[in-house]
Amino acid sequence: EAGVTQFPSHSVIEKGQTVTLRCDPISGHDNLYWYRRVMGKEIKFLLHFVKESKQDESGMPNNRFLAERTGGTYSTLKVQPAELEDSGVYFCASSQGRAVLYNSPLHFGNGTRLTVT
Amino acid sequence: GQQVMQIPQYQHVQEGEDFTTYCNSSTTLSNIQWYKQRPGGHPVFLIQLVKSGEVKKQKRLTFQFGEAKKNSSLHITATQTTDVGTYFCAPFMDSNYQLIWGAGTKLIIKP
Repeated sequence: EAGVTQFPSHSVIEKGQTVTLRCDPISGHDNLYWYRRVMGKEIKFLLHFVKESKQDESGMPNNRFLAERTGGTYSTLKVQPAELEDSGVYFCASSQGRAVLYNSPLHFGNGTRLTVT
Repeated sequence: GQQVMQIPQYQHVQEGEDFTTYCNSSTTLSNIQWYKQRPGGHPVFLIQLVKSGEVKKQKRLTFQFGEAKKNSSLHITATQTTDVGTYFCAPFMDSNYQLIWGAGTKLIIKP
């Protein structure tokens, strides 16, 4: 089966610009997660979709971040306007069942490395 | 909030030596997952531990869950170059049913 795919793999933008990241989960996976890792630090949870609904967005840093999952397939994460502290690697992951509750591991994409200058 | 501390941050070993990373929490954990991220790659699921005192093995990797379910460890015997990467523990957070992540332990093989 095809894995989780993310686009773009790298993005370099200036402060104040807008960037949209895309994630295509594994087909049939209802659960989709966005995470961010700043260099050398822990992986931070951003939000969780179940199908097209936001199950939990408690990790979203502020209202400059907007995530959508129209139709319950692919998801986008938009950052507008970008700030310097938004730099990092943004990972998307999907799982068939609810991760952990059903012993359902997360399958990660390769991430988008975002650099805000 | 619930947090997890993972140590050490880095471990340099000679090929053939053992490697251990520890994950500690101040609160009791329901369960915990472990992931490995190769350089330039993405986290890949290794295992999930659920029971108190549980020990699971995958070839040279041994995973343990503490009796009090507040700590966990991953031990690699006789490291090989293919083991290089960052190992993350990811315990389950009861409050919102999400995983929280340790900062990872980077395994580096000395040349």
